[in-house]
Parts: sequence; C-alpha cells; structure tokens
Amino acid sequence: DVQLVESGGGLVKPGGSLRVSCVASGFTFSSYSMTWVRQSPGKGLEWVASISGTSSSIYYADSAKGRFTISRDNAKNSMFLQMSSLRAEDTAIYFCARLANVVVISGPFDYWGQGSLVTVSA
Amino acid sequence: DIQMTQSPSSLSASVGDRVTITCQASQDIRRYLNWYQQKSGKAPKLLIFDASSLEPGVPSRFSGSGSGTHFTFTISSLQPEDFATYYCQQYDAFPVTFGPGTKVDV
Repeated sequence: DVQLVESGGGLVKPGGSLRVSCVASGFTFSSYSMTWVRQSPGKGLEWVASISGTSSSIYYADSAKGRFTISRDNAKNSMFLQMSSLRAEDTAIYFCARLANVVVISGPFDYWGQGSLVTVSA
Repeated sequence: DIQMTQSPSSLSASVGDRVTITCQASQDIRRYLNWYQQKSGKAPKLLIFDASSLEPGVPSRFSGSGSGTHFTFTISSLQPEDFATYYCQQYDAFPVTFGPGTKVDV
C-alpha cells in the first residue's frame, strides 16, 4: 500500500527555520513527482511546491519562493521542505502528496500523508 | 494565476439528496480539473480527476463534468459518509490552485 508519512513540524518563532520531511513507501518513489500542500487552521488548501522524480523540475507558489526549498532523496524515499524566514501566516498543516502522473510534474494528487502541523508564533 | 471559484460555499442536505457543486475557472483550463473530498481532521482524498474520471475505488454516486471554465461535481444520492468539504483544483498551469471549498452538512 502507498503510504506517505510527514514529520518535523512544530513550534517555531517568526523569522525562524524548520524542515518538514515526508517518507514514502509502497511505490517506486523515484518515478513520481511529489508535492507539498498546506492548510491554515480552518482555511482551504494551498499548493506550496512540486518536484519531479529526478529533481530536474521544481515549481513554487509565490508565497514560498525565496523562503522555502523543496528537495528529495530518492535513495531514502524521502522528500523535504526547508522553510526559512517563517511568518505567522505560514502556520498550517503541511501535507505531502504524490502526483498521479508518472511522466510529467503536473496532475492530480492521488495519495496524501496525514499532515504535519507547523506553528509560527513568538 | 488561475482563480478558482466554487458555489455554493456551503449547503445543507439530507441522506438520499442529489447534491451539485459548481466550479469556475478564471480562464480556460481544458479538462485539467480535479475534485477532492476532505473530512474534518483528515487529508484530502482524490475523487474525480481530469474533470470526469472516477478515481479507482471511489463510489459511482460521485461524478464530474465540464470543460473549459465551467465544471460540475455531483453526488447522486448523498450518503452519511459524504458529509465533508469538497474542493476543486486546476492543474492546467502553475501555480496549481484550489477552489475555496464547499462544505456539505446536514
């Protein structure tokens, strides 16, 4: 079975940094593009960033550009989101998800993790 | 960026009702439109991809239609487990964008 498990969330002060991780199992991780989506408390879904299977293509939301870095380690079936210069408005549950399409970096998100809560507060 | 709107933002329905949600894109997204269900405290679940294709394992009471800028999501006979929030999402162009969601409750 496909499983995605996030970790690394927590409480961080404004201006601080945090790295959230996503460990995948049950599929050939390197073949699939992956993505991060976040959800602020009581709000809707916001796409954050996507990365192709070989890391050759990466896209960011404007809210993440220059502050967040998406990366992956295919040998460890893991994806990461390094977040810096964090703001209160970055407080959210961060979900990792798999893109259904194997060849391209766009497509439906067919499997999701349970999410990792990041709270930015003094 | 492509803006996605959904209507209604919330609706009240009963078991057995037919429920329809619409999603409108600010520009032509062809059929690159997906629908997700999210229950409280849970991760979203893909129900419909590419406007009208049912994700494997998803009950056939869920359906989608549309292309271009106007899309519809329908639950033919609402079941107790269908009370949730539903989101549309476009992936025709980056940034990927979601609609604001439609909450379906009793």
